[in-house]
Amino acid sequence: ETGVTQTPRHLVMGMTNKKSLKCEQHLGHNAMYWYKQSAKKPLELMFVYNFKEQTENNSVPSRFSPECPNSSHLFLHLHTLQPEDSALYLCASSQEQGGRDTQYFGPGTRLTVL
Amino acid sequence: AQTVTQSQPEMSVQEAETVTLSCTYDTSESDYYLFWYKQPPSRQMILVIRQEAYKQQNATENRFSVNFQKAAKSFSLKISDSQLGDAAMYFCAYLSIQGAQKLVFGQGTRLTINP
Repeated sequence: ETGVTQTPRHLVMGMTNKKSLKCEQHLGHNAMYWYKQSAKKPLELMFVYNFKEQTENNSVPSRFSPECPNSSHLFLHLHTLQPEDSALYLCASSQEQGGRDTQYFGPGTRLTVL
Repeated sequence: AQTVTQSQPEMSVQEAETVTLSCTYDTSESDYYLFWYKQPPSRQMILVIRQEAYKQQNATENRFSVNFQKAAKSFSLKISDSQLGDAAMYFCAYLSIQGAQKLVFGQGTRLTINP
């Protein structure tokens, strides 16, 4: 369970705040992912990075801004969020974005937007 | 676009008995991967089992096995000798190896183990 870590585990923020979520993987993987898990909805893929390059933006609002400085770290910068953005944000990694590789998940950040 | 459907929002089973979780999916592709992930309460999601669509043999991992019916687009998970630690949300997921190669999840099934 320590292969992919996320901080913070819980975050409460106001609509005018700016905060960042951090993900780190210790598996030597080259692809990293952000997912949103809302109550009673399937997990939704938000962003994909492969070898530090963003390869997928799944029509995510611009108030979510990802950053991948290297293959081990992934950030999600948050600003002017809405209450409906409250959810569990999951980070995952895989060897490559190559279709045959299993994705390994972090524990998630539980975000509450007031 | 591919879709994954888990028709059982909740399931329960007596400890030591067997339970089967259902999953169906829709795709026009012939080669893809299917997964079952387990998400225990307040803990992270972990892979339970994985199946390659080109393999006819059903995948097995200890007490966990799948019934993969490609023509029917069905991918059920069987848990034998259920244990209290099996209590979790179970997600079925589809991974295309073409195009964007996105992992598509079902809505999940909450499994309760009764002692």
